[in-house]
Amino acid sequence: QQQVKQSPQSLIVQKGGISIINCAYENTAFDYFPWYQQFPGKGPALLIAIRPDVSEKKEGRFTISFNKSAKQFSLHIMDSQPGDSATYFCAASGNRDDKIIFGKGTRLHILP
Amino acid sequence: NAGVTQTPKFRILKIGQSMTLQCTQDMNHNYMYWYRQDPGMGLKLIYYSVGAGITDKGEVPNGYNVSRSTTEDFPLRLELAAPSQTSVYFCASSPSRDRKHFGDGTRLSIL
Repeated sequence: QQQVKQSPQSLIVQKGGISIINCAYENTAFDYFPWYQQFPGKGPALLIAIRPDVSEKKEGRFTISFNKSAKQFSLHIMDSQPGDSATYFCAASGNRDDKIIFGKGTRLHILP
Repeated sequence: NAGVTQTPKFRILKIGQSMTLQCTQDMNHNYMYWYRQDPGMGLKLIYYSVGAGITDKGEVPNGYNVSRSTTEDFPLRLELAAPSQTSVYFCASSPSRDRKHFGDGTRLSIL
């Protein structure tokens, strides 16, 4: 019940295309869903986050879509660029829990 | 601001040795965390702290210890290093449970 399942494990997208990464959770107590971006040799950095009171959040080329009934959320990267090549982690946490559960990550490669 | 600083960046230990991974943050964050990252496995929480003097176990605490005597520092101690502890260790801090700021990691090999 504490897992966050992320797919795909790896993704190759042409420059200018749309990258889509999906996550699913089971614990209905989760109320905060961030996405982190990690470049090689660096720590993860918060990219964008959503709470379940909205179905979509957009920041620049990055959009989170959230489906509360299906317990799924996804990251969409529009007009993907080679500089977006990184590992992306979805995560979830609950309002009474100081811990955060991470997905296993998606390695994204954008072809120039 | 330096943010979250981890030292050392790389270390090789022999089985049975001990060491302390250092983590310091200059953002006056109450929350601090230690994670380990293994290939294809995401990040696993080892220990966390919600303030000076308060620590709690995460998902994978066995073989590790922590202390939090100041707001700035949150060292992670490995006693009797084992090959299973070969990993990349990340320290993070946050002003609340959200918006974690990560350091650049310590890459540890146990041989």
